[in-house]
Amino acid sequence: GQNIDQPTEMTATEGAIVQINCTYQTSGFNGLFWYQQHAGEAPTFLSYNVLDGLEEKGRFSSFLSRSKGYSYLLLKELQMKDSASYLCAVRDSNYQLIWGAGTKLIIKP
Amino acid sequence: GAGVSQSPSNKVTEKGKDVELRCDPISGHTALYWYRQSLGQGLEFLIYFQGNSAPDKSGLPSDRFSAERTGGSVSTLTIQRTQQEDSAVYLCASSLGGFITEAFFGQGTRLTVV
Repeated sequence: GQNIDQPTEMTATEGAIVQINCTYQTSGFNGLFWYQQHAGEAPTFLSYNVLDGLEEKGRFSSFLSRSKGYSYLLLKELQMKDSASYLCAVRDSNYQLIWGAGTKLIIKP
Repeated sequence: GAGVSQSPSNKVTEKGKDVELRCDPISGHTALYWYRQSLGQGLEFLIYFQGNSAPDKSGLPSDRFSAERTGGSVSTLTIQRTQQEDSAVYLCASSLGGFITEAFFGQGTRLTVV
């Protein structure tokens, strides 16, 4: 079956760095997405990786290793507004999005 | 429209009643997804429409659930004989389709079955 694994919850301190891991086992691979979802709101797109390596976008970076079925989202200079759930999703061979359950990130002052 | 629009935003219904949820995707988006999300949980895939292809209905939890997409645009998700376990937020997303493009989500319909 298809499976996306992420930690359920993580806690970090304002101003620090946090890395959220995602491992996947899917039928084929056509890209990996990270989304941010604040409580009570819809998910919003953060990043997309299809080739191995690091994609940097401001304070957020996303890394992919296809051979390991592994990605991480790196958040730097954490702000209180970064408190949210972070969802990892993989597009499989049918271009279907397979979603992880999300990682709830709690930022403390 | 500017974004994905869903209606109603909130729906409270009695157990056993039918409900219809509507999604207006972004104009020109050929791919449309329906998801269900319970409190504190991840996204549960329901159904996927891509252009004129037959929809992927593999995520529909029972035959009480059905969805249509008319004219390749607006979609309706119908739940018949609602049960309390159907209570959740129903999210619709659309994308340009094809190889890359991210999905854009609507604000969801919060369904409460009492």
